[in-house]
Order: sequence, then C-alpha cells, then structure tokens
Amino acid sequence: SQTIHQWPATLVQPVGSPLSLECTVEGTSNPNLYWYRQAAGRGLQLLFYSVGIGQISSEVPQNLSASRPQDRQFILSSKKLLLSDSGFYLCAWIPGNGLGLKTQYFGPGTRLLVL
Amino acid sequence: DAKTTQPTSMDCAEGRAANLPCNHSTISGNEYVYWYRQIHSQGPQYIIHGLKNNETNEMASLIITEDRKSSTLILPHATLRDTAVYYCIVRVVAGNQFYFGTGTSLTVIP
Repeated sequence: SQTIHQWPATLVQPVGSPLSLECTVEGTSNPNLYWYRQAAGRGLQLLFYSVGIGQISSEVPQNLSASRPQDRQFILSSKKLLLSDSGFYLCAWIPGNGLGLKTQYFGPGTRLLVL
Repeated sequence: DAKTTQPTSMDCAEGRAANLPCNHSTISGNEYVYWYRQIHSQGPQYIIHGLKNNETNEMASLIITEDRKSSTLILPHATLRDTAVYYCIVRVVAGNQFYFGTGTSLTVIP
C-alpha cells in the first residue's frame, strides 16, 4: 500500500534561518508530488508541484524553493525564513502512471513556527 | 485560483443530514468536482468526486446539478467526528493542479 511521510512534524525556527522539509512516498513510482501551505485559519495554497525528478513548477513566487532529487522524494527549502512563512506545510501525491482520473492524497503535515 | 465558492461555516445537529453546497459556475466540461475534508491539524482527506452523475460511497453522497454549476455534498447521518473543514475543488482529468479554496467549516452539534 502507498504511504506518505513528512518530517519533521513540528518545527520552530528563528527569522532568517534556513529551512528544509522533506516528504517521501512509498509504494508507488513516478508520482506527481505537491507542496501546500496553510496559514492559520486559512485555506490551502499550492506552492509547488513536480511531475518527475528535477521537474518543479512554482505556483507562487516567494522565498521558498522545492527540489526533487529522487523519484519519491520532495524537499521544500528556504535560505532565509520570514515571519510570514509560518504555517502548516502539507505534502501530497497522485499516481503518475496510467491514464484516467487520479485522486490526491495528503501527508500528515509539518507545522512551522517562525519567531 | 480556486474556482469554487462555499459558505464559510455551517452547523448541523448530530444524527441529521449535513448538506454542504458548492458553486462552480465556470466549470468546464472536462472538469471533475472533488470533495475533501480536513480535521484540525491533519492533512486533507479525500471524500468523493464526480463529473455529472450523482455519486455515493461509504462516506457521503455527491449531488451535481444538471448544468454542473453547483453541487452538494451530503453526509447522511452527521457525527461529532464529521466536524471539519470541507473543501470543494474542480480539476481536469489530466490536470496537475489542485486548487483549494477556504472551504466550509462544519460543526456538528450534540
């Protein structure tokens, strides 16, 4: 069965510090991978998605970046965090192989607080 | 950009049916309607999806109007555990993007 992991679960970082959040998927190959951010009391904002290794599409220009060094690994990074980067970060995936409609599944999330 | 509009919040009595509306007046012919829900501090959970026919599964029913410009998610017998934010989303079959709006915060009242 397929599972998705995110770590860390929670993170408190000072303003200006770097960030690295990791997401991995098990039990599938060539998935589409996604990073979302959810600010407190707000909806989900799509940040990045990837359809393959090294392929990243950015939805929102900001001080965050994403990388996909391996098929089932998706990393969200920042060189210098801002206060506004605080939020709940969610990784998601959908099957990349085959045709037809696919459903998106979410990981447990990482709660980031920038102080 | 989210292509759906939903009420900000709703209440429902425990044991009664919860009917959550969604407007998607600009939906295209090849776009499906998806529903997810998010319980506090967890990742969103898939509920159901449909194109133009009504759909039912073990969690809920989805009613899509004939013109496809709106839909309703029905939780037939709401429980306290159904308290969550419910998101209505439209996307194309081959599309890579899922755009979530702000959703409807459903509170099930004992």
